[in-house]
Amino acid sequence: ETGVTQTPRHLVMGMTNKKSLKCEQHLGHNAMYWYKQSAKKPLELMFVYSLEERVENNSVPSRFSPECPNSSHLFLHLHTLQPEDSALYLCASSQGKVDTQYFGPGTRLTVL
Amino acid sequence: GENVEQHPSTLSVQEGDSAVIKCTYSDSASNYFPWYKQELGKGPQLIIDIRSNVGEKKDQRIAVTLNKTAKHFSLHITETQPEDSAVYFCAASIGPLGPDYKLSFGAGTTVTVRA
Repeated sequence: ETGVTQTPRHLVMGMTNKKSLKCEQHLGHNAMYWYKQSAKKPLELMFVYSLEERVENNSVPSRFSPECPNSSHLFLHLHTLQPEDSALYLCASSQGKVDTQYFGPGTRLTVL
Repeated sequence: GENVEQHPSTLSVQEGDSAVIKCTYSDSASNYFPWYKQELGKGPQLIIDIRSNVGEKKDQRIAVTLNKTAKHFSLHITETQPEDSAVYFCAASIGPLGPDYKLSFGAGTTVTVRA
């Protein structure tokens, strides 16, 4: 497995469910990111972890909870989501503050 | 913060013709400008980038130009092929990334290459 992988690729959940998105990077990077991608809008940065510490939280609602247990894995825990949270959630990684970010394929989330 | 605007939002070109996508940015301190290509069902993939000490960069059929005075940069695709059909995103940042690790993205351009 190479690059950045994400599971699941598709997720449908009700507003009362709890689910988690997983991201794994095989690039030896030490910074990981969660982005939200909605149709016709710029990518929205949600969270940044550097060396397993959260360094950025872009005023994201508390129903999204990130976790970074080590430099290769990143999770996004979801609970009591709203229909407007339906989007493509992208994970990315980079080597510290080096600019280039490498993206995973995303998880298509649908909240009913 | 940085604001990146991207035009056009959709672009349809005949196979073999050229495609040009333009982006403007607001923060004069930005000095790193990557372009990403996103195919259906995939995440964005870096295709080319340029830094502020360079005015133009080419990689086969793809080129990027930068005008720091006007604060705009463009992606040029020559001899377009069907596999060039995708959504293209420009981005800008202060590189090495500032304390917030932030890449500011444009809203994307959907390019369709007609056979």
